[in-house]
Amino acid sequence: SYELTQPPSVSVSPGQTASITCSGENLGDKYVCWYQQKPGQSPVLVIYQDSRRPSGIPERLSGSKSGNTATLTISGTQAMDEAEYYCQAGDTSTAVFGSGTKVTVL
Amino acid sequence: QLQLQESGPGLVKPSETLSLTCTVSGGSISSSSYNWGWIRQPPGKGLEWIGSIYYSGTTYYNPSLESRVTISVDTSKNQFSLKLSSVTAADTAVYYCAIYRLSSRYFNFWGQGTLVTVSS
Repeated sequence: SYELTQPPSVSVSPGQTASITCSGENLGDKYVCWYQQKPGQSPVLVIYQDSRRPSGIPERLSGSKSGNTATLTISGTQAMDEAEYYCQAGDTSTAVFGSGTKVTVL
Repeated sequence: QLQLQESGPGLVKPSETLSLTCTVSGGSISSSSYNWGWIRQPPGKGLEWIGSIYYSGTTYYNPSLESRVTISVDTSKNQFSLKLSSVTAADTAVYYCAIYRLSSRYFNFWGQGTLVTVSS
């Protein structure tokens, strides 16, 4: 079955940059999106189509992709960015989520 | 804006069938732009896609759950439903319904989620 691999955790100091990677076979041929999930809440879409931001998502969150690895970057990290982040890829019929990365703002 | 709300029993006995319904408001479930999906999250764990359905009734399932899952749609009620049979404690999770945008392959609206516990 298809898998997306993320690091379990990333730590970052306030104001610094956090990067979360997501890798998978042939990921370069698929659209990648990212979700932010805070405790007790539903996931929120923060990046779609590899690098596009939905309205209302701060510019400090950005996405990119190179080859089979996608990256979510949080620039100027704030305390409110502390959350679990999931990547997701799919086609018209199926979806796969990454294992999730816990971002801790120290 | 589209909104989704899950409903169903919060407690299911082992070996029985879990049944949930998602009610869609603010738009039509008969849109050709979306699939309608179910995702679950066991306590303290990650997200798992269960399956999706198109308004025509075409279904798509996670291969790891396919033998136990049935998703159906009722366009007259603007609802879609999930049935998961032969449940065990491993099926205890928060179950979300969500809208899957076909053109860009992402879930753009989620329900609030409902916790289903499998226990005798």
